[in-house]
Amino acid sequence: QSVLTQPPSASGTPGQRVTISCSGSSSNIGGNSVNWYQQVPGTAPKLLIYRDNERPSGVPDRFSGSKSGISASLAISGLQSEDEADYYCGAWDDSLGGLFGGGTKVTVL
Amino acid sequence: EVQLVQSGAEVKKPGESLKISCKGSGYSFTEYWIGWVRQMPGKGLEWMGIIYPGDSDTRYSPSFRGQVTISADESITTAYLQWSSLKASDTAVYHCARLAGDSLIYDGFNIWGQGTMVTVSS
Repeated sequence: QSVLTQPPSASGTPGQRVTISCSGSSSNIGGNSVNWYQQVPGTAPKLLIYRDNERPSGVPDRFSGSKSGISASLAISGLQSEDEADYYCGAWDDSLGGLFGGGTKVTVL
Repeated sequence: EVQLVQSGAEVKKPGESLKISCKGSGYSFTEYWIGWVRQMPGKGLEWMGIIYPGDSDTRYSPSFRGQVTISADESITTAYLQWSSLKASDTAVYHCARLAGDSLIYDGFNIWGQGTMVTVSS
């Protein structure tokens, strides 16, 4: 069981908005930045969002991140078929070091 | 081009030792943290540990401390993950990844290696 809690799955039809949550505590999300990763099965993860809500160059603006208290969210607007992948939140914990959430599988219906 | 290139797949027996590598290029190797991430078959990402090649400062997840050793050789811009005695449960893909900046608290992994599959079976 991960310290950072994500729902195991999420889905939507093309064009819809999908939101993935990541819940932690004051020692990780509450005091440190949240990063989000996308992993297409069989490939290496890709940084999608860093420092809670910043997008690396090349990441479409359909992807956005937010944080409030000890929870963070990743939103995918205008869902596309190529967004079907596993998504992980990550954060530093003051006692445990680096953490990843358990991952959320996004399915495009 | 900034990249991390990992060593190839390994097949080992329980009890054997192993050292896998991750070679960085295209950037100043000593100025960025490099971490290791485990992904067991069909499972999620697990943060194992991280090293700063500039001074060899190394941090381990409590789950992996004492189970693996992380090191780096700045002369050949390569980071390593090693085991002294493998178990079947070590079967996984191991990713190396570079932090985007110098902050463990704020920065994410923006450069990833291609992954090394380690299979431990008798």
